[in-house]
Amino acid sequence: AQKITQTQPGMFVQEKEAVTLDCTYDTSDPSYGLFWYKQPSSGEMIFLIYQGSYDQQNATEGRYSLNFQKARKSANLVISASQLGDSAMYFCAMRGVSGGYNKLIFGAGTRLAVHP
Amino acid sequence: GAGVSQTPSNKVTEKGKYVELRCDPISGHTALYWYRQSLGQGPEFLIYFQGTGAADDSGLPNDRFFAVRPEGSVSTLKIQRTERGDSAVYLCASSPNLAGGRDEQFFGPGTRLTVL
Repeated sequence: AQKITQTQPGMFVQEKEAVTLDCTYDTSDPSYGLFWYKQPSSGEMIFLIYQGSYDQQNATEGRYSLNFQKARKSANLVISASQLGDSAMYFCAMRGVSGGYNKLIFGAGTRLAVHP
Repeated sequence: GAGVSQTPSNKVTEKGKYVELRCDPISGHTALYWYRQSLGQGPEFLIYFQGTGAADDSGLPNDRFFAVRPEGSVSTLKIQRTERGDSAVYLCASSPNLAGGRDEQFFGPGTRLTVL
């Protein structure tokens, strides 16, 4: 079975500093994809970044980067130069062959608060 | 272009009543997903459509839940004999069903269902 674990219920960061949100996953699939989504108070899930299990390099999208450590089954999100608008819930998710490679399995999320 | 839209944004009903939740995906997206998000948790997969057919309905909790997508575009999630435990935000997502794994899912704003 696939599982996503996010051990940080809440995180605080000072504006303009970097923050790392932890995500570990469990799967026996040989091929899978990892995603991070942001959910502001408005409720809409916003895609941030994707990492394929066979990708050789860590994914980056602007201020977002994914620290992918395959042997440790971790896919931590790094947000650089935090902004007040980054305050939101952040969800790690995965999709794999055993799930038909379509449905996303989400973690419980981490609430990030950015302080001025 | 327009994103995924969901109606109504809020629905309050009484225990035992029937409800319908509507999702209008991004034009051209062949894949459509329904998720349920309970308070303080990550979204949980309910059902996935590829075109008009339900390719994976393994997440539907019981036979009170049913979803259709008769013309391969708009989808309706139907819940019979609602129970208080059905209260949650119901999220719809669509994707272009790209090969290669990334196939980003675009989420709608959700319908908040409250069963009294």
